[in-house]
This record gives sequence, C-alpha cells and structure tokens, in this order.
Amino acid sequence: NAGVTQTPKFQVLKTGQSMTLQCAQDMNHEYMSWYRQDPGMGLRLIHYSVGAGITDQGEVPNGYNVSRSTTEDFPLRLLSAAPSQTSVYFCASSYGVSNYGYTFGSGTRLTVV
Amino acid sequence: AQSVTQLGSHVSVSEGALVLLRCNYSSSVPPYLFWYVQYPNQGLQLLLKYTTGATLVKGINGFEAEFKKSETSFHLTKPSAHMSDAAEYFCAHYNQGGKLIFGQGTELSVKP
Repeated sequence: NAGVTQTPKFQVLKTGQSMTLQCAQDMNHEYMSWYRQDPGMGLRLIHYSVGAGITDQGEVPNGYNVSRSTTEDFPLRLLSAAPSQTSVYFCASSYGVSNYGYTFGSGTRLTVV
Repeated sequence: AQSVTQLGSHVSVSEGALVLLRCNYSSSVPPYLFWYVQYPNQGLQLLLKYTTGATLVKGINGFEAEFKKSETSFHLTKPSAHMSDAAEYFCAHYNQGGKLIFGQGTELSVKP
C-alpha cells in the first residue's frame, strides 16, 4: 500500500491563481480530511468527508473547495490564492476515526506570493 | 464547541529526564483522544490513542498517556527522554462525524 499520497510536494503560486492539491489513498478508507499547519496554530481542519459524495466544512473552510467523487480521491481546490493561504497542507484518511485516528500524507508546502 | 488546549508551546528537558506534555480538552460527551508526533519535515505519526476502557494507554517509543475525565486531561509522559524524542507533539480530540480537532502543538527539545 502506498498509503496517503499528496501531490505536489512544493508549489509557489501568485496571488489570484487557482490550483488543486491532490490527495489519494489506496486503503479503501471512508473518512478523509484536509488540514493546514501554521506555526503556533497546530493543525486546523479545512474540509472533511465521511464517504464518497459527502463533504462538510471544518474550522477554516473559506477560500477552499473540495469534492469526493470516489472513495480514493479527495482534491482540495484553491479558487483564488491569497498570501494568507501560504501554509503546509496535510491530507489524511481513516477507516474509522474514533478507533484508529487518521493516517497522514507527507504534506504539500504552498507559498503564495 | 469542541477544543483542545496544549499547555506550553515549547518544552525542554535533559536526556534521561521525565517528559510531560500537557493536553486538556473540552467536550460534553466522552471523547476519543490521540497523541501524534511530527519529526522535522515529515507528516504526523500516531503515538497512542484512548478510545474506551483502560484509562492508562501505552504507545510507541515508550510513551504513555492517562485519560482523566474529572480533569478533562490527557497528558503525555515518558520516563526517560532520548535525543531522538525531539519533535513536535500534537494532542487531538474526536467526538463526532469525521472531525478530528488538534491542539496547537508542543515542541519538545532534548538537551544532551
């Protein structure tokens, strides 16, 4: 199993550009989430999904869109990048969060200039 | 609202000393609690978890944590720190849906 795969690992965007951060898992996990990590703020939940076709907002959803058309994939879209979205983004998946927690990808470091 | 508070953004201990990282949660329902570790430039790795049953849970690398409902706490301990324990540690709390909420993190430094 490859686990949770995030691409790209690094990205530089200009203000106003759009892009999609990719996340794929090969463990047949129903639960998936996106987090952003900023110094001193821990990990903050952006969006999450409890299964294909079902998504919901987390703590900091503004400026981000998600969809879950398949169990395996959970892309995160930035519609119009802003410098405040400079961060490290982590995707995670789980068979059952209460009993297993999340398995994390290695992250995408995004800089918006 | 659900929240997690980690007391101390930075903890420094000497090699061989006790490690104590503090975590408190707020919840109106019994929680599921987790500790994760993040080494530099890596993702997060699960250290241990409390779901139900025994309130003292053991994890990897010699770490353990005790769930205390009366104190709404889930502090992480290790009897003797190693240099390799230097990392950032996150406490997390789950109580519904797929939402796992994290604390702010505590960076652990280990001095030789």
